[in-house]
Amino acid sequence: KAGVTQTPRYLIKTRGQQVTLSCSPISGHRSVSWYQQTPGQGLQFLFEYFSETQRNKGNFPGRFSGRQFSNSRSEMNVSTLELGDSALYLCASSLSLGFTDTQYFGPGTRLTVL
Amino acid sequence: GIQVEQSPPDLILQEGANSTLRCNFSDSVNNLQWFHQNPWGQLINLFYIPSGTKQNGRLSATTVATERYSLLYISSSQTTDSGVYFCAVSWMDSSYKLIFGSGTRLLVRP
Repeated sequence: KAGVTQTPRYLIKTRGQQVTLSCSPISGHRSVSWYQQTPGQGLQFLFEYFSETQRNKGNFPGRFSGRQFSNSRSEMNVSTLELGDSALYLCASSLSLGFTDTQYFGPGTRLTVL
Repeated sequence: GIQVEQSPPDLILQEGANSTLRCNFSDSVNNLQWFHQNPWGQLINLFYIPSGTKQNGRLSATTVATERYSLLYISSSQTTDSGVYFCAVSWMDSSYKLIFGSGTRLLVRP
């Protein structure tokens, strides 16, 4: 069974631009969550989607948004990029809602904002 | 919210040595996982262990939920064990959040 895939793997943008990252979960998994990893803040929860609905959101500004499609694939969007948005963005999938089972992570998208 | 603390923050071992990594958490949890982050950034799931003991090869983990801590044991360490080990929890009162500790950075020298 294929693992979680994320595209693109690397991305370079300039301040003010917007970016869309994609995540395809493991087949059969309906929950997708997103995390931001930076050297200063560590791994922080962004949001979780289940059955095309956002179930919870972390403490990030409204510039960070996401969605989930009927096939469980998810995208996250960051608008008006800032230098501080440079990070590794990780997505994880699991069978059920609520983090009550194993989370499987993708390889991440490394975003650099210049 | 829940606090997750990992210790030690850094650990240097000689190949073949054993080690114990600790994760303390401040509230009841319904999910606890250990991950290994490799040098390329990928988080590899090691254990899903909200309670009890599990073993997988040279690795084992124990979570004592009533005392709010978990331990990850690495025996006969190898250079490929190097990387950052994270503990992550979701707690009973949360609305679907997974909270990560700050990690233990492990370097295994040949």
